Parts: sequence; structure tokens; C-alpha cells
Amino acid sequence: GAVVSQHPSWVICKSGTSVKIECRSLDFQATTMFWYRQFPKQSLMLMATSNEGSKATYEQGVEKDKFLINHASLTLSTLTVTSAHPEDSSFYICSARDLARGMNTEAFFGQGTRLTVV
Amino acid sequence: GEDVEQSLFLSVREGDSSVINCTYTDSSSTYLYWYKQEPGAGLQLLTYIFSNMDMKQDQRLTVLLNKKDKHLSLRIADTQTGDSAIYFCAENSGTYKYIFGTGTRLKVLA
Repeated sequence: GAVVSQHPSWVICKSGTSVKIECRSLDFQATTMFWYRQFPKQSLMLMATSNEGSKATYEQGVEKDKFLINHASLTLSTLTVTSAHPEDSSFYICSARDLARGMNTEAFFGQGTRLTVV
Repeated sequence: GEDVEQSLFLSVREGDSSVINCTYTDSSSTYLYWYKQEPGAGLQLLTYIFSNMDMKQDQRLTVLLNKKDKHLSLRIADTQTGDSAIYFCAENSGTYKYIFGTGTRLKVLA
């Protein structure tokens, strides 16, 4: 299957700093990328959906000014956690789909990023 | 809104079959998926089934879909210790979103 690379795999940052997480589709064009957050022993919570070249759509309760999403190209989306706090510590996962091929195309997932804010 | 439920834990002995169950509420689901998540990793697609199918078999994996009861199951034959992971079912009703279940933690005992 297609490959989605997420970087970094883990990051530790100080409270108040910003952290950028990258999500790249390596061998297909990702018209749409999704960012999820996963708390320990819980399911994936969709944070936002980004389409290439347009503003991200955030789910209810997700602060768009805190979680900045950029999807400037068909192969790269970034999530920046701004002014991080310990409660932002979590596992963040991206997924990518090529919806130009239809609404039922498969989603491919990145490996996830473990963020720890100290 | 849409909801997808799974039992939280399942423990089986190596060599036995595992059956992971999932119920969903969205009757317009077109595709239903099973994903595997190993510790500290992303999600790996195991298999999927289109809503007009009742069953799909792929090597050790068998997916059963009861559309009337909105019930999906994943059977893993000859379960191995490497199958220990969290399994998520997900549904897609032809929109851009996937709705994920709560995840079932499978533990395989040697």
C-alpha cells in the first residue's frame, strides 16, 4: 500500500514552546489529510481535515489558533502545536487520502508522533 | 451522530481463533474497515468490506457483516502472539470522514 511518513516519531518540548509535526505522502497525491489525537487506551479523535491549498476544517472543540494546520502541497501537511502545555501531551496521527479518485479511497496512516510537553 | 462501539478487551490463547465485534449506527455506511495498531505506531489497514457484502475472507482474516443488525466482526484464525495489538473498526458513509470505534485490545497468551 501507499506510504505516509510522519515526523518526528516522538518529541519532548518545554511548556510554552511550539512544535511542528510533518505528514508526507511518499508515493501518492494526498488531496486530503486528517489529523487525529489519541489519548492513552482510547480511540482516535479527529481534530481537523485539511485539503491542499485551502484552510483546514476543525472539529468542534479543537482550537484552530492552537493547532495550526498547513497543507501547502499535495504531499505535505504540517500540524503546529503552538504554546504547548502539558495537557497537549498526546499521540498525534495523520492520515492521507486521494479523494480525487473517489470518496471511498483508502486512508493511509502515518506512524504517529508522541508529544510530551514538560 | 454516528457511533461505533467495540468491546475493550479480548484475551485468547495462541492457536485459537479470535473474534472481535463492532456495532455501528450509521445505516448509510458504504465501507467498513478493520485497522490494527501496534504499540506506539500508526494504524495499518487489515481488511475492509463493502456494505453490499456479507462476508469477506483474506487468509487468516474473515470479516462478517450483518447489515440489518449493523454488526461487523473480524475473525482471526490461528491467532499468534504477533497479533497482539489494538484493533479498530471504522466506517465511512461515502464522505471524507472515517468514524472509528473505541478499539479492542487483543492479548494473545502463549
